[in-house]
Amino acid sequence: AQKITQTQPGMFVQEKEAVTLDCTYDTSDQSYGLFWYKQPSSGEMIFLIYQGSYDEQNATEGRYSLNFQKARKSANLVISASQLGDSAMYFCAMREEGKSSGDKLTFGTGTRLAVRP
Amino acid sequence: NAGVTQTPKFQVLKTGQSMTLQCAQDMNHNSMYWYRQDPGMGLRLIYYSASEGTTDKGEVPNGYNVSRLNKREFSLRLESAAPSQTSVYFCASSDRGTGGYSPLHFGNGTRLTVT
Repeated sequence: AQKITQTQPGMFVQEKEAVTLDCTYDTSDQSYGLFWYKQPSSGEMIFLIYQGSYDEQNATEGRYSLNFQKARKSANLVISASQLGDSAMYFCAMREEGKSSGDKLTFGTGTRLAVRP
Repeated sequence: NAGVTQTPKFQVLKTGQSMTLQCAQDMNHNSMYWYRQDPGMGLRLIYYSASEGTTDKGEVPNGYNVSRLNKREFSLRLESAAPSQTSVYFCASSDRGTGGYSPLHFGNGTRLTVT
């Protein structure tokens, strides 16, 4: 079974509007972490935001926020006031923190976001 | 401020040739990883090293070997390249042991084509 599911292969958003990128996850661990990365066309992987499973408040980093709904196992990324430079591929990832999980991240297949001027 | 450095950036191999992808980090991180990225598949873990002297298989280890040479360096070797190994390869590192918040820091990737 997919551990990280990103159901939106591609999305468009108008400049200055907000956009939500969906991510659902599957784990039986009680302790885990959720990450979002941005990959622009230049190819590098840029860390955006982190949410721990025990964090009660949604994580925020500037224009990025993570809408964490633990019961629904979802960790959607919200980008406010979209900019042309936000056009990129976005990946959701999870680290399970059980003893047998190691320290690795499992990634979703990504969502390509295009910001329209 | 180098972070994670991968070499080479591009490589073309013929089927059956071998090569080693090099990776070094200067952040004193314990854990290092090799991922491959293919269209529509996201990033898939090939091998990882939780600490110096240890390596473990990830999701897609077949056809690859790794060496954790020291704390800084983690290399990926293709002994006999196959067209199915055409991909973009990323090395990453993280500061394991600092709790949940330890994001992976990635190198800029190696684009490998096997003909």
